[in-house]
This record gives sequence, structure tokens and C-alpha cells, in this order.
Amino acid sequence: DTEVTQTPKHLVMGMTNKKSLKCEQHMGHRAMYWYKQKAKKPPELMFVYSYEKLSINESVPSRFSPECPNSSLLNLHLHALQPEDSALYLCASSQSDGGGFIDTQYFGPGTRLTVL
Amino acid sequence: GQNIDQPTEMTATEGAIVQINCTYQTSGFNGLFWYQQHAGEAPTFLSYNVLDGLEEKGRFSSFLSRSKGYSYLLLKELQMKDSASYLCAVRGRGNQGGKLIFGQGTELSVKP
Repeated sequence: DTEVTQTPKHLVMGMTNKKSLKCEQHMGHRAMYWYKQKAKKPPELMFVYSYEKLSINESVPSRFSPECPNSSLLNLHLHALQPEDSALYLCASSQSDGGGFIDTQYFGPGTRLTVL
Repeated sequence: GQNIDQPTEMTATEGAIVQINCTYQTSGFNGLFWYQQHAGEAPTFLSYNVLDGLEEKGRFSSFLSRSKGYSYLLLKELQMKDSASYLCAVRGRGNQGGKLIFGQGTELSVKP
């Protein structure tokens, strides 16, 4: 089983709203990731959590705030977003953030975010 | 710097074979991945190479030459459902170990 789930599937929000994206995996993976993907572009890494600690922040604006409440869950809190933040937000997980085949990243279906 | 190049688009015929190339220049290398992504869906893992040579998995094969910074994905017996974007990604090392750097993706169209 290589399933990563994400909710909601679609989200429309105004620039003054606060919302959260959720990601869950039950594969016992200890590394979890947030990516942003614009249309016709590849995924761009935003954050990496390793053993529930933030290990990589790719200089993401503070209006995006990640949280890892436990080893199975990853949240992305959104506040005061801009229309250009509209994109597909993908969560992924892997055994760890190290090397080897075992650390292949598996992606969830994504949340399609529209900021009005 | 980090740079991964793939052709933007390719077209092939159902039943044929297609090879999608990827060249990379990265500051660290800890494996190369190929993912398939259908429009509006998540990337799906296809293959992984970390040593030189060919890895075969059913209709899909992937090749790596680390000295040349080169990989290819070979798709045999093409089916219409293989129409998708194919993403080449290189994984970093050390404190960048969790980081995947993606190429721009190759949009493959399979025609009848």
C-alpha cells in the first residue's frame, strides 16, 4: 500500500481567509513533503519534515505555515494568500529523507487551490 | 547550479517504442527517478536508478549513466493510456537528501 490521502480535493478561498490543507499516510513513513505545482510546470518543493521536524524550507513565504502534528499527518495552514498562489498542492511521503530505493517519494492526489 | 533537461513534447504511435531522454547537472546526486503524471492527477512513481545501467520493469525501462549525467525512460508497446507527462527528478545528498529536483516534464502523446 503506497497511499497518501489529501483533503480537501478542491478549495476556493478569498485573500483574507484562513484555511488548512491536510495530508495523511499510514505507511509508517517518517519523511513528509509539501510541493506546489502550477499548470504545465513540474512540482516545486516547499517543505520537508523528517521525523516530525522541519528539515527543509525552500524560502516559502510566511503566509504558508506547515505543521506536522504526528508521524502520519502533515498540515499546511494558509493565510492571506494571493491569487498567484493558486495551484495544485501535493503532499508526498517516503520512508526517510535519506538515500536508496526505500526512500522513494509517493504522492497524494493533491488539493486544487484557487485564491480569489 | 542545478539543471535538468528533457524534451518538452513527444509524439508516438500506439504499439511503438519511445525513448524519453533526461540530462542533468546537479551539485549532488543520490538517485534519479521517473514519474508519470496524467493531467490533473498526482505523479506516480515509475522507476529509480542510482547505479549505472538499465533497470527493467515490464513495459518500462530506465537507464542511467552518471559520468554523462544522462538517463532515459524507454516505453515499449505503447498504449493510449501512456499519454501523460513524464517527469525526470534527481535527488540530492546530505542535508538536501529529501529534495527532489524535477525536470520540466515531457508531454507524451500516443496516437492510434
